Amino acid sequence: KNEVEQSPQNLTAQEGEFITINCSYSVGISALHWLQQHPGGGIVSLFMLSSGKKKHGRLIATINIQEKHSSLHITASHPRDSAVYICAVPGGGADGLTFGKGTHLIIQP
Amino acid sequence: DAMVIQNPRYQVTQFGKPVTLSCSQTLNHNVMYWYQQKSSQAPKLLFHYYDKDFNNEADTPDNFQSRRPNTSFCFLDIRSPGLGDAAMYLCATSRDPGSYEQYFGPGTRLTVT
Repeated sequence: KNEVEQSPQNLTAQEGEFITINCSYSVGISALHWLQQHPGGGIVSLFMLSSGKKKHGRLIATINIQEKHSSLHITASHPRDSAVYICAVPGGGADGLTFGKGTHLIIQP
Repeated sequence: DAMVIQNPRYQVTQFGKPVTLSCSQTLNHNVMYWYQQKSSQAPKLLFHYYDKDFNNEADTPDNFQSRRPNTSFCFLDIRSPGLGDAAMYLCATSRDPGSYEQYFGPGTRLTVT
């Protein structure tokens, strides 16, 4: 079973700061997902990546398959970025996801 | 437009009283998943349907069942809810197994009294 570890668990930063959230996993994978969960529960897929780097707006995700590690970066952070960010990898039946515990991010004005 | 819809958003049931949660999708995806997320925990996969084939995870309690009458709809049945089943239940879809994006519904928050 794949073990997914995220760090930090909690992160409070000031508006405008550059944010980095890290994820490591124990078993090789075909792709890794970064997800965002707001209070109230809904989950939104941010990225799915299998190599290199992807960028969407102020969000950047990178993955190093050899080192089994991925990072999510947020540039010019804003209070609306406050949410739980979750790293997940395929591994369940029919490739359901195994999730990390999430990083609770708070951006203060 | 919502692509994965869950009803109801909030459900209260009594201890031991059967309850059904509903999920529908407009994506025509082959795979539908149910995840359980307890307070302050990561979501946990309960089971999935790949087309009409049902598979539950090894540690999913027998108290949880699922039905998928057609491609669009999937139901989660909890036969005898216990207090420990109070959680957010998330439905997700994927075009196929493997390296495909998953689309999540807004979740149903279940309270057991």
